[in-house]
Amino acid sequence: DAGITQSPRHKVTETGTPVTLRCHQTENHRYMYWYRQDPGHGLRLIHYSYGVKDTDKGEVSDGYSVSRSKTEDFLLTLESATSSQTSVYFCAITGTGTEAFFGQGTRLTVV
Amino acid sequence: EDQVTQSPEALRLQEGESSSLNCSYTVSGLRGLFWYRQDPGKGPEFLFTLYSAGEEKEKERLKATLTKKESFLHITAPKPEDSATYLCAVLMKTSYDKVIFGPGTSLSVIP
Repeated sequence: DAGITQSPRHKVTETGTPVTLRCHQTENHRYMYWYRQDPGHGLRLIHYSYGVKDTDKGEVSDGYSVSRSKTEDFLLTLESATSSQTSVYFCAITGTGTEAFFGQGTRLTVV
Repeated sequence: EDQVTQSPEALRLQEGESSSLNCSYTVSGLRGLFWYRQDPGKGPEFLFTLYSAGEEKEKERLKATLTKKESFLHITAPKPEDSATYLCAVLMKTSYDKVIFGPGTSLSVIP
């Protein structure tokens, strides 16, 4: 298994509060990604990183920010959580090939 | 618009009953196509990468094929442990490794 750990695994938060999700990898890979998965939709890319302090937006980046201060950690922040951000969030990495390897996911509920 | 669709949405098979899942795509430039398996509450697990029309990959009871407009995942003599959601994803010709996921096919194999 790829060494990817997401935390927390589950979180319930209130509307308007900030939330940070963490992704930690032990593979020393350059590319890291944050996706969200919702019923009826495929996995959709939120943000990605191609190196320390190098990040860019994906297709559904509004309301989210990311940071990568170390190769192994990629943080996703919801600045002010909304109910539409209730979802399952997955972190992924790509290594020497083009295929991505995913973490176990974080189930976030915004009430 | 770049798009990936999968059919059927859900499939119920008897153990040993072979079938195929379809992934159709309309994208501006294809570098490759991935198949993943996803079990409930877990992240997607990589199965195959296909790069060119006519290519085939096999793993146990699964065989993936690729044409210019679609891919098939053939499941031969499935077992209950093959029950999962199967995702396909297209890797596009962009400045970064942009991947578009399909919504998935939920497969149930009944003993």
